[in-house]
Formats: sequence, structure tokens, C-alpha cells
Amino acid sequence: GENVEQHPSTLSVQEGDSAVIKCTYSDSASNYFPWYKQELGKRPQLIIDIRSNVGEKKDQRIAVTLNKTAKHFSLHITETQPEDSAVYFCAATPGGGADGLTFGKGTHLIIQP
Amino acid sequence: DTAVSQTPKYLVTQMGNDKSIKCEQNLGHDTMYWYKQDSKKFLKIMFSYNNKELIINETVPNRFSPKSPDKAHLNLHINSLELGDSAVYFCASSQIGANYGYTFGSGTRLTVV
Repeated sequence: GENVEQHPSTLSVQEGDSAVIKCTYSDSASNYFPWYKQELGKRPQLIIDIRSNVGEKKDQRIAVTLNKTAKHFSLHITETQPEDSAVYFCAATPGGGADGLTFGKGTHLIIQP
Repeated sequence: DTAVSQTPKYLVTQMGNDKSIKCEQNLGHDTMYWYKQDSKKFLKIMFSYNNKELIINETVPNRFSPKSPDKAHLNLHINSLELGDSAVYFCASSQIGANYGYTFGSGTRLTVV
């Protein structure tokens, strides 16, 4: 089955700086890679996703890059703000069937004022 | 109007009891899932289910069983609850093959005492 590794487990950055979270996956059949943000006591919320036919996707201050050859994908957050503080999860799935998402172990992002 | 709703939000029960958590989605999705989030925040899939297949994570004890009365509902039944079952359980849904992601319910915090 799929295995997703995520690094770092904790990331502390100054407000206004950029943050980068990296993930690797094992199953070459995976073709859908979402990122979720989870605030304390809340549900995971989809913030951006990318499919295997695309190398990069941007949405305002967040962007995701995908390297299928190396089996890794990354989340980039620019101009970080206090409300970006949360736990971020990457995930992967082959799609096409009811396999569900395999998640990384999460990154606790702390924005220092 | 909540897209994926689950009840109850909190559940405190004694070891050995049997309990159920209910989940409903009004998105018209064809596949529903149950995820377990442990104390370290790790999100792990337990089941995925659509009208064609039930996929069970092999690490899930057979005390856990999904029950789907119809396409919009997937309940989780747990027999003989153990202390280690304490966690947050999230229901989610998706449409296989569609260009949008998985939507999560708000979670049920289960505490076994």
C-alpha cells in the first residue's frame, strides 16, 4: 500500500517569512495529492490539491509543487500570518477506486509574531 | 447546511460497551470513509465504502464495523470498547474520479474510561 512521509514535524517561522513542508510517497500509481489544514479541535480542511498531470499549482499565498519522478511534493506558504498557525497534512491516493487518502504524520506550523 | 455531519460530537463510555457513531453526507458523493486520529494527530483510514466495494484497513480490529443503510450514510459500530479506542473519529466522503477532494465531518471525540 501507499506510504507517505512528511517533514518537518514542527516548523517555526517568523511572521511574514515563507514556510515549506515536504512529503514523499511510495506508490507510483498515486495521482492525487491534497493538503489539509487542521486547527485545534477542528476538522481537516482542504487548502490546495494537485494532480499528477500538473507540476505546480498556486492559490494566493499557497502553492504546491509535484515531482512525480522523485515521488515528492511540497507545500509553500509565503508571507505567513498568525492565522496560518495549524497542523498541515499532506496525503496521496491512487484515485479511481475507493482507496481513500493516505496521510503524512502532519507538520505543526507555528508563526512567531 | 453541513456537507458531512456526524453525531455525536463527544462520546464518553465505559470499557466493554458497544457504541455507534453516525455519519451523513448531502454532497451526493458515492464513497464514504472512516478515519481515526490518535493522540499524536496521526490520521489513518479505517474503512472506505461505496455501492461496489468495502475496503477495510487490515490493522482495524474486527470489533469495528461500518454499516451503510444507504448511499448518504455510513455509520461506525464498535463492540467491546477498549481504552485504546479513545481517539477522534472522522467521517469523510468523496466522488471517485471527480476533480474535487475529500470532505471531512467535524469529528467525534470518543473517550473510553
